[in-house]
Amino acid sequence: QKEVEQNSGPLSVPEGAIASLNCTYSDRGSQSFFWYRQYSGKSPELIMSIYSNGDKEDGRFTAQLNKASQYVSLLIRDSQPSDSATYLCAVNALRGYNKLIFGAGTRLAVHP
Amino acid sequence: DVKVTQSSRYLVKRTGEKVFLECVQDMDHENMFWYRQDPGLGLRLIYFSYDVKMKEKGDIPEGYSVSREKKERFSLILESASTNQTSMYLCASRLTDTQYFGPGTRLTVL
Repeated sequence: QKEVEQNSGPLSVPEGAIASLNCTYSDRGSQSFFWYRQYSGKSPELIMSIYSNGDKEDGRFTAQLNKASQYVSLLIRDSQPSDSATYLCAVNALRGYNKLIFGAGTRLAVHP
Repeated sequence: DVKVTQSSRYLVKRTGEKVFLECVQDMDHENMFWYRQDPGLGLRLIYFSYDVKMKEKGDIPEGYSVSREKKERFSLILESASTNQTSMYLCASRLTDTQYFGPGTRLTVL
């Protein structure tokens, strides 16, 4: 089992819809969770972090964390074509020195 | 704003050459990281450093070495480049939980 798992996609949604991206992780003791967005040919950029169970909202983005189920998700409301990118889930590793473990990413395509 | 810069956006080298990839951050971060990213394989950690002159192997250190002589600079060295090291190389720096990436270097080894 991979430490951080994401569906590779592509996830295709129409413009204006809600895009739902999911991530599961294996280390039950993980405490910090992050979503990065990566456009084609560019480097990842941090868009959300979440540390506590529940929802965290930032503009059109909502991160959801359920530690009991070892599940973190990202919702994008009113999806725009400019949201088309690969979304990487990252979890802070308990072992070692403060490393992030990344999922392989989900490719999102928002079509007009 | 945190700034992480990498010495080259694109680099083409020949098999057997020694290759240096440089990374500089301007926020006095303790932790710095080198990843490579390949289609279908995601981000893989090569090496990281948590302080000057300190380094730790990541998941795929073979064929690479690193140097951190100053806090702001973390260098990745390919001792003898091979074609299977053709990849996108990403440097990152981190303070507490927030990790920032540089723009990446796309290295092609012929």
